[in-house]
Amino acid sequence: GAGVSQTPSNKVTEKGKYVELRCDPISGHTALYWYRQSLGQGPEFLIYFQGTGAADDSGLPNDRFFAVRPEGSVSTLKIQRTERGDSAVYLCASSLKGTGGLAGANVLTFGAGSRLTVL
Amino acid sequence: LAKTTQPISMDSYEGQEVNITCSHNNIATNDYITWYQQFPSQGPRFIIQGYKTKVTNEVASLFIPADRKSSTLSLPRVSLSDTAVYYCLVGDLLTGGGNKLTFGTGTQLKVEL
Repeated sequence: GAGVSQTPSNKVTEKGKYVELRCDPISGHTALYWYRQSLGQGPEFLIYFQGTGAADDSGLPNDRFFAVRPEGSVSTLKIQRTERGDSAVYLCASSLKGTGGLAGANVLTFGAGSRLTVL
Repeated sequence: LAKTTQPISMDSYEGQEVNITCSHNNIATNDYITWYQQFPSQGPRFIIQGYKTKVTNEVASLFIPADRKSSTLSLPRVSLSDTAVYYCLVGDLLTGGGNKLTFGTGTQLKVEL
């Protein structure tokens, strides 16, 4: 696609529910990142995929958070037993290459984000 | 990972040049410096990237001194539409350590008439 697409743009859910957020990266981008952004803060790294595998998931806050990218393109961030503290904007970004290579490999193109509100 | 420090906010007027400085004292040899811009309700957008000396594109210039412990984003003749948050990131591109590209709190630039 022309840009990084994220759905839904807004999600309101109740505490304890399960949520899935989808990211459709730019075609051909092998690296995909998930970030979380709270009001007034910079984006906080969650997880990074190189192809289908999670190369770095050290930013996931706990085991309620999980992300997959089964075919190396679309990714889904899954949050189980949501809590009010999970409320934030979840940003997805993709880049041509995540590791090594030429300058510009880690230039990230972000989507508009999915705003999650847990009541 | 190199930590960055930026001013929390800056104010300017239309038509002026704005310079935002970022400190990254423990930058590593392979680290590049990248600046992003973010408007409300949007994801960050790439502005410029550099390794040393000066880089210029159609939007901004990036000045990096020889010791690379800081960098300055220069926005020429700002307009109201440049009001946004600006983030400085430092990451390793050559050896793959840049996976966790870390954003700080950024600099809120406000441009007035």
